[in-house]
Amino acid sequence: DAKTTQPPSMDCAEGRAANLPCNHSTISGNEYVYWYRQIHSQGPQYIIHGLKNNETNEMASLIITEDRKSSTLILPHATLRDTAVYYCIVSNQGGKLIFGQGTELSVKP
Amino acid sequence: NAGVTQTPKFQVLKTGQSMTLQCAQDMNHNSMYWYRQDPGMGLRLIYYSASEGTTDKGEVPNGYNVSRLNKREFSLRLESAAPSQTSVYFCASSRDRSPTDTQYFGPGTRLTVL
Repeated sequence: DAKTTQPPSMDCAEGRAANLPCNHSTISGNEYVYWYRQIHSQGPQYIIHGLKNNETNEMASLIITEDRKSSTLILPHATLRDTAVYYCIVSNQGGKLIFGQGTELSVKP
Repeated sequence: NAGVTQTPKFQVLKTGQSMTLQCAQDMNHNSMYWYRQDPGMGLRLIYYSASEGTTDKGEVPNGYNVSRLNKREFSLRLESAAPSQTSVYFCASSRDRSPTDTQYFGPGTRLTVL
């Protein structure tokens, strides 16, 4: 499985967009990019996933570069409740997720 | 729907004691998983069950056993607990294991082994 690289921490002002980067330079053609988040020791929560195209749902947008070597998760209007650890994972199976250490996002008033 | 439920929420054991962590899901999912999370770390897969009647080892299976009791329930057993097994344990489920199947996690069991 490809490995991912994420910054250990980021800050974002409440109401602003939070842009969380992820590098996955060794991603294979059949591997998807998944984003999960974990709020204060709760169980992780699925956010979004994609293969090649950009994706958007009610929680976030996922922008994948054309060469697929990196991606960005966008929370369009961050709130205090979005403070969490965000995990970027690449896998060719939804059931085979390898969690790294993620990015700790702090949303500040 | 309750989603994924886990019992107990907290447990303290002495070294050498045994216990079983219970997990149940009401989403009619085929696949279920057990993870552990140590402080400041990401989750690591202990065991998984791709479908009822099957189980397979994950990344860190030593010291654990599992049982897929039926489609709803997947239990994790520690036969002889060790302090190194102090961790938070998460159960998860997914419809299947295809790339488009996402995992739903329970609230976790916080285990301390003295």
